[in-house]
Amino acid sequence: AQKVTQAQTEISVVEKEDVTLDCVYETRDTTYYLFWYKQPPSGELVFLIRRNSFDEQNEISGRYSWNFQKSTSSFNFTITASQVVDSAVYFCALRGGGYQKVTFGTGTKLQVIP
Amino acid sequence: EAQVTQNPRYLITVTGKKLTVTCSQNMNHEYMSWYRQDPGLGLRQIYYSMNVEVTDKGDVPEGYKVSRKEKRNFPLILESPSPNQTSLYFCASSPPGLAGGRYNEQFFGPGTRLTVL
Repeated sequence: AQKVTQAQTEISVVEKEDVTLDCVYETRDTTYYLFWYKQPPSGELVFLIRRNSFDEQNEISGRYSWNFQKSTSSFNFTITASQVVDSAVYFCALRGGGYQKVTFGTGTKLQVIP
Repeated sequence: EAQVTQNPRYLITVTGKKLTVTCSQNMNHEYMSWYRQDPGLGLRQIYYSMNVEVTDKGDVPEGYKVSRKEKRNFPLILESPSPNQTSLYFCASSPPGLAGGRYNEQFFGPGTRLTVL
């Protein structure tokens, strides 16, 4: 069985602070895919990033960066210089190598205070 | 416009009255899936479908049925809804998984908020 743990239920930061959202996963698959999604207050789910298990390169996209560490089964997400528009619930998700079952974490609610 | 549509967006019903939530995608995706979102539990997969006539249970399939007769449609059926099925439901689709590009990314519908009284 696969599992995704987002231990941080809620985080509050002041605007312009950096914040890291943690994601730890468990899977028996050797090939798998990890994702981050954003759910703003409006409710839709917005894709942010996908990472393959065979590609451990970290990625940066503007103020967003992702740190994938296979050795610790973690896929953490950092927002640099946070903004009020970053306030949302963020979900980490895992999809097994057979592209079938998808498991989401319970989400981290980020509040950025102006 | 490439999208996943769900209908209805909001539904209030009573216990035991059969209902169907429709899901349709126009991206020719093979994989489709249903999730429910509950406070503190994140999104949990109900059913998924790898292709037409191929469906399988997710983590919380009890009380739900699905069918995949056409590639574009994946309706969620509640034969006898109960109050514990009050939730926010999302349908999603994705292309077959490959190593490159944005394959494996799921495209989500706008959600259906269901209340069972």
